[in-house]
Amino acid sequence: NAGVTQTPKFRVLKTGQSMTLLCAQDMNHEYMYWYRQDPGMGLRLIHYSVGEGTTAKGEVPDGYNVSRLKKQNFLLGLESAAPSQTSVYFCASSENRGGELFFGEGSRLTVL
Amino acid sequence: AQSVAQPEDQVNVAEGNPLTVKCTYSVSGNPYLFWYVQYPNRGLQFLLKYITGDNLVKGSYGFEAEFNKSQTSFHLKKPSALVSDSALYFCAVRDGSTGFQKLVFGTGTRLLVSP
Repeated sequence: NAGVTQTPKFRVLKTGQSMTLLCAQDMNHEYMYWYRQDPGMGLRLIHYSVGEGTTAKGEVPDGYNVSRLKKQNFLLGLESAAPSQTSVYFCASSENRGGELFFGEGSRLTVL
Repeated sequence: AQSVAQPEDQVNVAEGNPLTVKCTYSVSGNPYLFWYVQYPNRGLQFLLKYITGDNLVKGSYGFEAEFNKSQTSFHLKKPSALVSDSALYFCAVRDGSTGFQKLVFGTGTRLLVSP
């Protein structure tokens, strides 16, 4: 079982460029999440999805968009990258709203 | 809104000694509490959770945590630390009320176990 897989693992962007992070899970989980991790701030929820075709905003959604066209995939997009979006991004999934989260290995994004 | 506090940025302990990583929380409804561990350049891994039932919860790798409702705490413990336990530990809380309630993470505590 691969669990939660994120691609790419590393990316360097210039300010204003766009990119998409892909998250795939093979556990048939309903819930999927995108977090960002910054030093001294823990993990902050960007967007989440409670099922195929649904998305919702988390704590820090500005500058990001998401889509969940298939149950197993959750895409995070940056339309116009800013240096403040330099971070490590984690995707996670859970079976239900009360269950533990399963995390991917992370995607390190640097915006110059 | 729910919140989590991990008052220690770092905990140092010698191998073989007991360890405690502290966590206090605040929620409106019943708390769902979690501990996760993160090794360098890796994602977070689930250690244990408290939803209801016994206040002492046992988890992976010999860790346990004690839920204390009166003190709103959920401290992580291990009787005998290993060097391999050195990592970043996150406490998290979700409000158990109906509907979607986001999982809120603390800022993390770095555990350093010395040989």
